[in-house]
Amino acid sequence: AQTVTQSQPEMSVQEAETVTLSCTYDTSESDYYLFWYKQPPSRQMILVIRQEAYKQQNATENRFSVNFQKAAKSFSLKISDSQLGDAAMYFCAYRRIAGAGSYQLTFGKGTKLSVIP
Amino acid sequence: DAGVTQSPTHLIKTRGQQVTLRCSPKSGHDTVSWYQQALGQGPQFIFQYYEEEERQRGNFPDRFSGHQFPNYSSELNVNALLLGDSALYLCASSLNRELNRYSGNTIYFGEGSWLTVV
Repeated sequence: AQTVTQSQPEMSVQEAETVTLSCTYDTSESDYYLFWYKQPPSRQMILVIRQEAYKQQNATENRFSVNFQKAAKSFSLKISDSQLGDAAMYFCAYRRIAGAGSYQLTFGKGTKLSVIP
Repeated sequence: DAGVTQSPTHLIKTRGQQVTLRCSPKSGHDTVSWYQQALGQGPQFIFQYYEEEERQRGNFPDRFSGHQFPNYSSELNVNALLLGDSALYLCASSLNRELNRYSGNTIYFGEGSWLTVV
């Protein structure tokens, strides 16, 4: 079974600074999706960024970028120019491309990010 | 464009009771998934419905059941409630034809239903 591990329960960053959240995963698949979701106090999960494993280029979305290391099964999220609105729980998630279990997201336990003014 | 809506927002039930949670998917979406998120944990997949049938199920007992209606809305039912069922229940909707494509695959979540079992 696939597992997703987030080893940092809590992180903090100074406003306007850069922070990196870590995620590792375990899978025997060669092709899959990886995601970072943000969950603010409203509890709605919001997609931050997505990476397809077959793409070697790291995904970027404005201030958010990932460092995808397929061989190491590592998928970290970098937030640049941190803003107060970035404070939230961040979840790393995995999904198979096809086959059994391909319709479900497997989440890590999350990292609580605080942004200090 | 309405997103994923869930009801009720909060509810309190007693052990042994039954509960029904409801979800309306984002407009145009035909696939609904349910997740359970215990306090301090990441969401765990319960099951997914497509074409009014349960297509995939996570590691949850038969006390958890669901239904999808012709308009794609969905219900999650939990019978014989246990204290451990206390959690946030999230509904997620998607478009089936995008789930199987490399280019698509955007899943939208609702704000969840908080269930407390006492």
